[in-house]
Amino acid sequence: SQKIEQNSEALNIQEGKTATLTCNYTNYSPAYLQWYRQDPGRGPVFLLLIRENEKEKRKERLKVTFDTTLKQSLFHITASQPADSATYLCALDMSNTGFQKLVFGTGTRLLVSP
Amino acid sequence: GAGVSQSPRYKVAKRGQDVALRCDPISGHVSLFWYQQALGQGPEFLTYFQNEAQLDKSGLPSDRFFAERPEGSVSTLKIQRTQQEDSAVYLCASTPGGQGVWGQFFGPGTRLTVL
Repeated sequence: SQKIEQNSEALNIQEGKTATLTCNYTNYSPAYLQWYRQDPGRGPVFLLLIRENEKEKRKERLKVTFDTTLKQSLFHITASQPADSATYLCALDMSNTGFQKLVFGTGTRLLVSP
Repeated sequence: GAGVSQSPRYKVAKRGQDVALRCDPISGHVSLFWYQQALGQGPEFLTYFQNEAQLDKSGLPSDRFFAERPEGSVSTLKIQRTQQEDSAVYLCASTPGGQGVWGQFFGPGTRLTVL
């Protein structure tokens, strides 16, 4: 069965540094991968989507890479700020029927200290 | 509306009670999804609607779970004879649907606690 792994331990970094979060998956070749941010007591918020034929995608301070050979995506936040503290979820589209059927990882909690 | 809304935000039920959770997607969004999120886990897919048609219900844990979207807008997730293992946050998400690949717009969730 499909397995998506994200670091279960919280990632603690200092303000201004680059945070790098990892998403590894097995047994599937998704057409695309998404990253979401989730704050306590709230629903996930969509951040970025990267397709299988894209190596890298950027949006402001965010950068996502997608290596289909390694079956891995890396999510970077540059010049991190305390406001970036949240749980970050990666999600793969498991559907082959034309609609999205997302499978989420367990998420990695990021803590940015001043 | 401006975003996806869900009600109630919190629901406490006694074991064996039936509950109904409501989702108001973004106006005009064709696709609607329900997820279940246990504490410390990522959301797990329950079911998907395209307009009023329920095209995938493979994630519903048992026949006690039922979802509907009769007019293609508001959706209700119903859980009959609730059990303690049903305690979780239930999330609703919507997308414009049609051609294209979308990020999903999530509501704030309903936290269900079954005593």
